[in-house]
Amino acid sequence: QITLKESGPTLVKPTQTLTLTCTFSGFSLSTSGEGVGWIRQPPGKALEWLALLFWDDDKRYSPSLNNRLTITKDTSKNQVVLTMTNMDPVDTATYYCAHTLTSGIDLFDYWGQGALVTVSS
Amino acid sequence: DIQMTQSPSSLSASVGDRVTITCRASQTISNYLSWFQQKPGKAPKLLIHAASSLQSGVPSRFSGSGSGTDFTLTISSLQPEDFATYYCQQSYSTSYTFGQGTKLEIK
Repeated sequence: QITLKESGPTLVKPTQTLTLTCTFSGFSLSTSGEGVGWIRQPPGKALEWLALLFWDDDKRYSPSLNNRLTITKDTSKNQVVLTMTNMDPVDTATYYCAHTLTSGIDLFDYWGQGALVTVSS
Repeated sequence: DIQMTQSPSSLSASVGDRVTITCRASQTISNYLSWFQQKPGKAPKLLIHAASSLQSGVPSRFSGSGSGTDFTLTISSLQPEDFATYYCQQSYSTSYTFGQGTKLEIK
């Protein structure tokens, strides 16, 4: 079955760069149609999509955060890494990675448990 | 960017009730619409994709409809485990926008 798990720091200081790793099993990012996305959720607020990476290295970013985000993959390790630069307290949120399947419509069908990241000095 | 607007923002209902949640897109998105359920402290769970296709394992009391700009999620007979927050999401444009959520509470 498909599982995903986020890992990374729980606390970062303002202006620092956040690096989160999504380690997954049950699928391969070398298989056509597969992808991994990142979504975040500030405490008590709605979901916000951040970035998406497909098997063919197609990368997509939130237009509002595009200049701060980088998504990469390590296919051999079954990992996807998201970096977000210049962190601010408003970036405090639970960060989720999700398996994405594309067959015309992109589906976020399996999610990790989430990782809470707090931005504070 | 495509904006997704859900209504209502919150809803009180009783076990056994039929409930409908609406999601409106700021421009046409065909049927590129998913619905998610999220319980406190948990990750979202995909319920419906392509506006009306039930995700595997999701009870048949959940259904979705709509196309273009207007969509609905219906729960035919509320069960205790259905009290949660529901989100719609468009995948027509690569901003993958979510709605602001509808919190379904017990009356």
